[in-house]
Amino acid sequence: QLQLQESGSGLVKPSETLSLTCTVSGASISSSSYYWGWIRQPPGKELEWIGSISPSGTTYYNPSLKSRLTISVDTSQNQFSLRLTSVTAADTAVYYCARHGLSGTYVRTWFDPWGQGTLATVSS
Amino acid sequence: DIVVTQSPDSLAVSLGERATINCKSSQSVFNSPNNRNYLAWYQQKPRQPPKLLFYWASTRESGVPDRFSGSGSGTDFTLTISSLQAEDVAVYYCQQYYSNPPAITFGQGTRLEIK
Repeated sequence: QLQLQESGSGLVKPSETLSLTCTVSGASISSSSYYWGWIRQPPGKELEWIGSISPSGTTYYNPSLKSRLTISVDTSQNQFSLRLTSVTAADTAVYYCARHGLSGTYVRTWFDPWGQGTLATVSS
Repeated sequence: DIVVTQSPDSLAVSLGERATINCKSSQSVFNSPNNRNYLAWYQQKPRQPPKLLFYWASTRESGVPDRFSGSGSGTDFTLTISSLQAEDVAVYYCQQYYSNPPAITFGQGTRLEIK
């Protein structure tokens, strides 16, 4: 059964860098055509797509975050990661990783399944 | 970006009654070449990640009870629960994935409660 688990910095100071990793179990990132994505949800607010990556490293980013964002993949560890620089309080959120649905439209698909999420708080 | 707006923001329905949630996109998410609407629905219960209910607007994910249905095309979509059960209390989100280059967006969510 496919499972995703987020891990990383839970408390980050303003202007510093948020780093998170998603570890995939039950399937190999490199052996499929699935894209993998990050989504966040500020407390009590709606979902926001952050960006997505293919097993070969092709990335798509939310234009509103693109200048601060890097998503990478490590197929040897079966992980993909997120780095968000120059964070502010507005970046405080639960961060989810998820697999895209499989379709000829690649990243232009739904998300299933999702990890349980990890809360990242930006505070001094 | 395609803006996705849900209505209502919150909804209270009696057990056994029908619940209807609407989702409207700022531009059509229908793709003529493959005859598909690029829209998904999710259910999120407290302290849980979202759970996929429908993709391609009306394709039910495996394991989703058939009291749930997804419909609509173009810019207007509906999630219907035919007979509300207590376990259906949740926040429901729609998501469009039509934009190209990719710019996935979600609706603001609809909170469903028992009356």
